[in-house]
Order: sequence, then structure tokens, then C-alpha cells
Amino acid sequence: SQQGEEDPQALSIQEGENATMNCSYKTSINNLQWYRQNSGRGLVHLILIRSNEREKHSGRLRVTLDTSKKSSSLLITASRAADTASYFCATNSPRQLTFGSGTQLTVLP
Amino acid sequence: DTEVTQTPKHLVMGMTNKKSLKCEQHMGHRAMYWYKQKAKKPPELMFVYSYEKLSINESVPSRFSPECPNSSLLNLHLHALQPEDSALYLCASSQPTGGGGYTFGSGTRLTVV
Repeated sequence: SQQGEEDPQALSIQEGENATMNCSYKTSINNLQWYRQNSGRGLVHLILIRSNEREKHSGRLRVTLDTSKKSSSLLITASRAADTASYFCATNSPRQLTFGSGTQLTVLP
Repeated sequence: DTEVTQTPKHLVMGMTNKKSLKCEQHMGHRAMYWYKQKAKKPPELMFVYSYEKLSINESVPSRFSPECPNSSLLNLHLHALQPEDSALYLCASSQPTGGGGYTFGSGTRLTVV
């Protein structure tokens, strides 16, 4: 079953702008992960943040986690056309990874 | 390049057919997963294998039958499927502790006619 919701459902920006996606979840977690999916193919793991962490960076990605609000955000800075994809948050409770509803990001050249 | 390989990439089968989806991983992971994804929806968990034993079955109909022959291979046997079973089937692997990311294959696009 779906763990939570992401917003916005769709986001369209110009190349070079920043993109922010938000994720809310319902239960306690071990960690929260973000994945990218191009054109309905396999998912690619982007970044993982543990439940005792508040912020994490990886290249142009910045993830925050607020366990009191059960929410996370993914910021992609200086976006590129190649960043166009669907982005999913996923919560990891023991033995199970459950995905949010996803955000479709379109970066216009 | 993905280190989780799924075959075939595309499959069209009739409702009376029997077919199998295959997944192989070379990550040294001891947990493997089957997910089902419908268009414009998130992946939904079907089965979890941990140390080659089935640990989670998310109430999947018996027309889907998983098999884990060894720590590198995961199969999904299909029989008497319905058109609504048409979807992208994704295999993934991870360490069983759940402390790291999952590695996904590229998926099998299944169409039931």
C-alpha cells in the first residue's frame, strides 16, 4: 500500500532553476529514500537520509527530513533537461520499502 | 549500467499462457523484491525474499508465483493472468538489514491479451 503523498504531482520549470518536491508519510521509519524513474523504466536510487538525520547533500541534491512532521523534501539545484523524470520518495521500515505517489518533473531547455 | 538484470524486457501473453519473469543480481545482496507498477502510479510491493526465503507476500493472487532458486536469482511465474495484470514488473535487491538503498532492474513490461 502507498505510504504517503508527494506534492506537487507535476512540476514544470526552466533549465537552471531549482526544483523542490515534498513528501509526507504516515508511519515511523528507519530511513527515507528518493528515487528517480525515467519513462516508466527502472528506478534509480538518488539519496538516503536516516531517521536521526535532518539534512543531507549529494551533488546538486539536498534532502531534508522532519520526523516530527513526518515529511521530507528534495531540492534539485541548477536543474538540467536531463533531470526530467518522475521522482518518488520511499520510506523504509523493516524489510519493506514503500513508495509515495511521485512527482513528475519537467525541465524545459 | 544496472547490476540487476531483468528478462525479458517486454512480454505479451494470453490469459491461458504460462510464462516466467527472471531477475539476476550481482550485488551480493541477500534480499530481493518484486514490485508491480501501473502507469502513472508508484511501484507496489508484491513479494520479499530474505536469505532465499519468502518473508513477505502482500496478498498477491496465486496466479503469481515467486521463486528464489539461489541468492542471485529471482523468478516470477505467471499463469492464467488477467488483462488488468498488465503492468511494469520491477525486481530489486538490497541488504536484508534495510539500512541502504535498493537497486532496481529495468523492469519487464507485461501485456496480457
